[in-house]
Amino acid sequence: DTGVSQDPRHKITKRGQNVTFRCDPISEHNRLYWYRQTLGQGPEFLTYFQNEAQLEKSRLLSDRFSAERPKGSFSTLEIQRTEQGDSAMYLCASRKGGRANEQFFGPGTRLTVL
Amino acid sequence: AQKVTQAQTEISVVEKEDVTLDCVYETRDTTYYLFWYKQPPSGELVFLIRRNSFDEQNEISGRYSWNFQKSTSSFNFTITASQVVDSAVYFCALSSGATNKLIFGTGTLLAVQP
Repeated sequence: DTGVSQDPRHKITKRGQNVTFRCDPISEHNRLYWYRQTLGQGPEFLTYFQNEAQLEKSRLLSDRFSAERPKGSFSTLEIQRTEQGDSAMYLCASRKGGRANEQFFGPGTRLTVL
Repeated sequence: AQKVTQAQTEISVVEKEDVTLDCVYETRDTTYYLFWYKQPPSGELVFLIRRNSFDEQNEISGRYSWNFQKSTSSFNFTITASQVVDSAVYFCALSSGATNKLIFGTGTLLAVQP
């Protein structure tokens, strides 16, 4: 089985630059989540898609953040005008429909903002 | 508000010892789901188990066992005869509501010494 994949795995950027991350979920999973994890903390929810519809956004997701899932398959997370506080691991997860189903996580994209 | 507390920040044991990781949760929802994930040094979150709020039956899977007690809002995880490969950060998580986003605890770092 192909799991959740994320690209790139690592990104180093300078403050003020824009970055975009991609997530490819497991093919039959129509639910997709983005989380952010900082050192020593558990992942924190950012946003949720059901098919192509973005149904929930966390207050953590400032105006500089935008996420899309244009055809209900892969998703992108863009951060504009990056700040040093954006440095974190960005995790994508997917699951099947139905409330009980567990989420499967990708390997994450580690962002470092200099 | 929903919250997951993992009071143990770090635990160190010697191989073959049994170890229990504690998890306490808070939620007002009557239907919810509890999860344990493992995050090894490689960084990828690995799903271990899911329990729903209507099923308090304890579960055993090989060396792993889980004790779910609604009366104390706890969902503890025991590893029997620990091995070096069990060394990782373990996260307890809670989900409920329309999107079933995961609310994670801060994690417990388990170090198993040979």
